[in-house]
Amino acid sequence: GAVVSQHPSWVICKSGTSVKIECRSLDFQATTMFWYRQFPKQSLMLMATSNEGSKATYEQGVEKDKFLINHASLTLSTLTVTSAHPEDSSFYICSARLAGVVYFGPGTRLTVT
Amino acid sequence: GENVEQHPSTLSVQEGDSAVIKCTYSDSASNYFPWYKQELGKRPQLIIDIRSNVGEKKDQRIAVTLNKTAKHFSLHITETQPEDSAVYFCAASKETGYALNFGKGTSLLVTP
Repeated sequence: GAVVSQHPSWVICKSGTSVKIECRSLDFQATTMFWYRQFPKQSLMLMATSNEGSKATYEQGVEKDKFLINHASLTLSTLTVTSAHPEDSSFYICSARLAGVVYFGPGTRLTVT
Repeated sequence: GENVEQHPSTLSVQEGDSAVIKCTYSDSASNYFPWYKQELGKRPQLIIDIRSNVGEKKDQRIAVTLNKTAKHFSLHITETQPEDSAVYFCAASKETGYALNFGKGTSLLVTP
């Protein structure tokens, strides 16, 4: 099946710094990618829809100035967590759709100290 | 927007028994209903999906049923095995270009 990768798989950063997470579709082009956040023992919550060549669409309650999304090519979307706080610590997962099926990246575990 | 409810939140069955997880959705425009299995710390893996033009779909020990009128769909796992233990999520969406809306998940434990 289609492969979606994420980098890094885990990252630890200090409070107040920024961290960038990459999501790549390895063997297909994705005009739309989706970013989810998952807290321990909870469901996946949609943060934003990333559209190639245009602005991302953010879900209600997600700060667009804090979670910067860039979808500069058909195979890469990036999520930058700016001025990270400990409460931003979570599992961030991206996904992309191919032929009607949604494929998920392996996730990025972010820990903010 | 779409609201997906999932029950039960936890389910414990003995090996060999069947497990059933139920979901309801609110948006009648939703037409794609996948089920994902997620093991701790890993990505969700698609196990089966169904589209609104089909009422039932089966893949070996796994089956999904859909009732569009009632806006609910269910996952059925027969002859459960310990390796089926994981968290299962249902989801709903419209087709291409729309995000998945997930249920809260069901933690399934299959005891030998």
